[in-house]
Amino acid sequence: KNEVEQSPQNLTAQEGEFITINCSYSVGISALHWLQQHPGGGIVSLFMLSSGKKKHGRLIATINIQEKHSSLHITASHPRDSAVYICAVEPGNQFYFGTGTSLTVIP
Amino acid sequence: EAGVAQSPRYKIIEKRQSVAFWCNPISGHATLYWYQQILGQGPKLLIQFQNNGVVDDSQLPKDRFSAERLKGVDSTLKIQPAKLEDSAVYLCASSIWVLGELFFGEGSRLTVL
Repeated sequence: KNEVEQSPQNLTAQEGEFITINCSYSVGISALHWLQQHPGGGIVSLFMLSSGKKKHGRLIATINIQEKHSSLHITASHPRDSAVYICAVEPGNQFYFGTGTSLTVIP
Repeated sequence: EAGVAQSPRYKIIEKRQSVAFWCNPISGHATLYWYQQILGQGPKLLIQFQNNGVVDDSQLPKDRFSAERLKGVDSTLKIQPAKLEDSAVYLCASSIWVLGELFFGEGSRLTVL
């Protein structure tokens, strides 16, 4: 059983579309991270949040602690957004990672 | 600020051979993590160091994997002997203290034939 579940596993969108990736977790956490992994590349931290909402450029991350749920939104998607997006949670002493959502944005 | 450095980026070996990966974390970061990421899966923690001490190595296959961080700075991860199922990307990450924002290296991709 995974402590972190992401949906969808794969997502294909047309350039310009609004995209939502969801993350649900089953443990109490102190923080949640959204990470981005490009093919063949390392992982980059996008957001770390413990409540509410954060925005960076076209990316928005929200978290509902009571419902144990977070969403990552991408507005006006672009082909360079194509990557794997990984949700990770901190239940206190380690990280638990989701299996990732593979996003492909078609021009 | 320099990021997390890892080497080599790619390694191909035959089963039963040995391999070593090196990681230099961001300067001043006390915590260093080694993760194994198999294609299509999320990263799996192998070992976590706090300075030069081991915090968590519960998922490290100790019969074939070893890791050290002798001076509390850079670290090496060794696999000996390698098995086919060890083919994966080995990611090194660091953070200032325990947990908090993670900074990842580019990863070392291992192929075992």
